[in-house]
Parts: sequence; structure tokens; C-alpha cells
Amino acid sequence: AQTVTQSQPEMSVQEAETVTLSCTYDTSENNYYLFWYKQPPSRQMILVIRQEAYKQQNATENRFSVNFQKAAKSFSLKISDSQLGDTAMYFCAFMTPQGGSEKLVFGKGTKLTVNP
Amino acid sequence: ETGVTQTPRHLVMGMTNKKSLKCEQHLGHNAMYWYKQSAKKPLELMFVYNFKEQTENNSVPSRFSPECPNSSHLFLHLHTLQPEDSALYLCASSQFSGTSRLSSGNTIYFGEGSWLTVV
Repeated sequence: AQTVTQSQPEMSVQEAETVTLSCTYDTSENNYYLFWYKQPPSRQMILVIRQEAYKQQNATENRFSVNFQKAAKSFSLKISDSQLGDTAMYFCAFMTPQGGSEKLVFGKGTKLTVNP
Repeated sequence: ETGVTQTPRHLVMGMTNKKSLKCEQHLGHNAMYWYKQSAKKPLELMFVYNFKEQTENNSVPSRFSPECPNSSHLFLHLHTLQPEDSALYLCASSQFSGTSRLSSGNTIYFGEGSWLTVV
């Protein structure tokens, strides 16, 4: 079974600084995607960034970038120049086709607080 | 603004009531999902529908009954719920390839959720 582990329940960072959120996963699959979703207090689940497992190049999206280490099954999220609006729960998620469906398996989340 | 809309946003119901949650996606996707988010658990997948056919029932109690009349609409019918069913219910959609290979560019998009309180 696939599992996703986020070992940091809560983190905080000062505005304009950089923070890295950790994620590890366990799978025997070779074909999968990894995602980071953000859930602000509004509870809308918003896609932050995605990474295809077959790509060696780390994905970047503006201030957000990932460090994907396939052999180590690690997928951390780096947020540069943190902004107050980045305060949210961040979920790491894993997707692979199983039984005719494409399903996301989520970690428990990391609550990030950006302080002014 | 979201391509996946859920109604109602908040629902309070008694344990003997029958109510429904509605989800509509405006993204042209062919797969829809129900997830449950409780206070102290990771998001749990409940149901998956691909091309209007249910392809996943993650051991969900029968008091939750999904319905997918077409690829754009998904319902969750609720009946005889328990207080522990109180949670945020998230609907999502994606473009499923229909094969065992991951769809290139596939991403699951979520609605804003329906807060359910069972009293």
C-alpha cells in the first residue's frame, strides 16, 4: 500500500524568509505523480505544484519549488520569500493508477504559519 | 472562483434526517471523487466515478450513497448518519485517461467543501 508521511505537524516562518516542508512516501510503483496542495482557512484545496516521477528535473512554480529525490522517496517543498497569504495547511499527495482509478493518497499535513 | 462547486457549504442534520450534498464540475472532466476530511485524520477517499461508473468504494458505510447521473454532477445522499460522520466533505474532479497509465498532465481539482454537522 502507498503511504505518505509528513513528519512536521506544524512549522512557522518569518515573512520574506524561506521554509522547507518535508514529505516522504512509500510505493513499489515506478509510474506516479507527486503533489503539494495548500488548504487555507477557507478549506479550499489548492494545487501548489506537481512532479512527474519520470522527470529528474525538480518542478518549480514561482516562489514554490520541490526537491524530488526518487531513490530516497523524498519530496520536499521549498517556499521562498514567504508571504502572509502562504499561511495554510500543506498536504503532500501521491497519485498512481490503481484498479481503474487515479487516486490521491494524502499525508496528514503540515500547518504553516507565516509571521509578520 | 473554482471549477468545482459544492452545495450546500454548511449542513446541520439530525441522525434521522435524509439530506444530499451536491457537486458540479465545469472543467469538462470525466472523473469525480468524494473525499472526507475529519479533524484528526488524513483525507480519506470515499468514492470514485470514472465516465459515470463507480470504480472505487473505499469501504464506506451504506448510510452514504453516491450518485453520478452524468460526468458533470455528483451527489452524496446521506441517511441515518452518526455524530462521528461530522466532517468536511470534499468533491473533486479530474480527466481520467481510461487506461492503467497516468494521464499526461492529470491533476485532481477540488471544490470548497461541504461542512457537515450531525447532531
